[in-house]
Amino acid sequence: DAGVIQSPRHEVTEMGQEVTLRCKPISGHDYLFWYRQTMMRGLELLIYFNNNVPIDDSGMPEDRFSAKMPNASFSTLKIQPSEPRDSAVYFCASSMTSGVQNIQYFGAGTRLSVL
Amino acid sequence: EDKVVQSPLSLVVHEGDTVTLNCSYEVTNFRSLLWYKQEKKAPTFLFMLTSSGIEKKSGRLSSILDKKELFSILNITATQTGDSAIYLCAYGSGSRLTFGEGTQLTVNP
Repeated sequence: DAGVIQSPRHEVTEMGQEVTLRCKPISGHDYLFWYRQTMMRGLELLIYFNNNVPIDDSGMPEDRFSAKMPNASFSTLKIQPSEPRDSAVYFCASSMTSGVQNIQYFGAGTRLSVL
Repeated sequence: EDKVVQSPLSLVVHEGDTVTLNCSYEVTNFRSLLWYKQEKKAPTFLFMLTSSGIEKKSGRLSSILDKKELFSILNITATQTGDSAIYLCAYGSGSRLTFGEGTQLTVNP
């Protein structure tokens, strides 16, 4: 399996622009998670999906952030309009329901810089 | 509020040393405790500890879980420069993980 695939790997944009991050989970996994990692706040959960349905978006910082999962193999995280404080590494992770198993597998991340 | 606290936040050792990383947690619905290693890219899974599996070992790495005292430790023996990374502890509750701040380990030659 290719693992969780994220694109782009790096994104540099100007304040006010729309940014779209993409994620392909591991095939067969029914949970998908979006995280943001910064030096100040560590690894934070933004939102997660189960069977393509958003379950908990309480970590989404504000209305500028939105996430979708139109099918089992694709998800997007969109920031519109972007701000410099959104600069961070965004990770996507996926996992499979299996008893108490919570093992999440992470993509390589998207490093976002908003100028 | 559920939380995970790791210590120390950073640690510098020499090759060959043994290190112990700590993770304490306060949670309301504990199911599992996980350790991840993060080098320059994504966190990669190391161990998962649950009520039925409180001790894990893989090569030079080992981890234990103390459910009574609500902590876990990760031990690395005979450290190598390749062990330099951020080590993240997370507890699992339901489907989600909550991560600690991480311990930045630097192993010098």
